[in-house]
Amino acid sequence: DTAVSQTPKYLVTQMGNDKSIKCEQNLGHDTMYWYKQDSKKFLKIMFSYNNKELIINETVPNRFSPKSPDKAHLNLHINSLELGDSAVYFCASSHGQDGGGYTFGSGTRLTVV
Amino acid sequence: GDSVTQMEGPVTLSEEAFLTINCTYTATGYPSLFWYVQYPGEGLQLLLKATKADDKGSNKGFEATYRKETTSFHLEKGSVQVSDSAVYFCALSDYTGGFKTIFGAGTRLFVKA
Repeated sequence: DTAVSQTPKYLVTQMGNDKSIKCEQNLGHDTMYWYKQDSKKFLKIMFSYNNKELIINETVPNRFSPKSPDKAHLNLHINSLELGDSAVYFCASSHGQDGGGYTFGSGTRLTVV
Repeated sequence: GDSVTQMEGPVTLSEEAFLTINCTYTATGYPSLFWYVQYPGEGLQLLLKATKADDKGSNKGFEATYRKETTSFHLEKGSVQVSDSAVYFCALSDYTGGFKTIFGAGTRLFVKA
């Protein structure tokens, strides 16, 4: 009964490959997010969806494409992976857009070799 | 733009010591303020929050008071335990053409027995 679940937990892949990370929340929240955490623990927003609609799209390469089939799911597809994409990617959700408190998934550690 | 500045870590304390982690912010609006905690290998968890000036957020012995005059939201705990060892993130949520939550760089806390 995990609130925000991400799969896979670990992902090791070669440069140039395409990969996807899936996220699902069972909290009934209407807003979902993708954050990237680098090796120094710095967290940066990538995307935010509210009721399947994109509301935040930070300066992220076009190789990253989020998809929200319904408000409980927000997947992240990455094309042509690069070494610099190695990081931990966190999915999160909240009720409403005012950030009254996020619930985070446990993260996906992506390593590009 | 909005920003959050936290004291640099790591912070190393002995068990039962008093903890303060400083956090200051800049914001154009009237933000909500948060502290999140990240244990090793896990996602961030909301620790406490405050939505307006002079509000005090508290949880698990941790406290922080929203100080508008000093634009600060310092985290305190009277007596830390080894189990409090984690990375602590200060964050703000503000409406600047759309709600966005911005995280500080995180402060790592080590508590020795």
